[in-house]
Amino acid sequence: DSGVTQTPKHLITATGQRVTLRCSPRSGDLSVYWYQQSLDQGLQFLIQYYNGEERAKGNILERFSAQQFPDLHSELNLSSLELGDSALYFCASSVAARGQNTGELFFGEGSRLTVL
Amino acid sequence: KNQVEQSPQSLIILEGKNCTLQCNYTVSPFSNLRWYKQDTGRGPVSLTIMTFSENTKSNGRYTATLDADTKQSSLHITASQLSDSASYICVVSDRRDNDMRFGAGTRLTVKP
Repeated sequence: DSGVTQTPKHLITATGQRVTLRCSPRSGDLSVYWYQQSLDQGLQFLIQYYNGEERAKGNILERFSAQQFPDLHSELNLSSLELGDSALYFCASSVAARGQNTGELFFGEGSRLTVL
Repeated sequence: KNQVEQSPQSLIILEGKNCTLQCNYTVSPFSNLRWYKQDTGRGPVSLTIMTFSENTKSNGRYTATLDADTKQSSLHITASQLSDSASYICVVSDRRDNDMRFGAGTRLTVKP
């Protein structure tokens, strides 16, 4: 158990819909990262938050947005969903922020999104 | 072009055999390199971390090597077990801002 909690574990929805994925980082970790992993593909970095502020952005679509709340949990919002958005979405947390000696990333078990 | 290239893409070996996975990177300046193991449908878990000055690091049956001059790393798995079947991901951090670059992974299948 990594200590990172993601909900829901599975989600099935239709094209055009909007979903929210939730992540609770390990206790004490200030950084939260979101990754997308499509079938048989590598992990694609979407976005990072540190202590409530956006710190780094990867290949995140404009239809996607995220935020980190004062209690450090994070949500990834996916809107106007398309078939190609079907993927595993991982959240990871670490102690460090960008620009510091980065610690280990601890990954959650992922949220599997299926868009029909 | 991805700054972290892994080979082979996939590998099938028999239980009990050894194997070596490769990671070549162009990330510069280099901070550290991690190998993660990702079981199917699960989150990745860190196996080893190597910094610039380290050449070899072991974690049980897993041994990682690093040649910072040639920008190459390998992960050697000894006496493979069925539970080693997973994807192995190489992640290299940039020393300027610690951006992490992920390789696409090597999918290892260990057969009985």
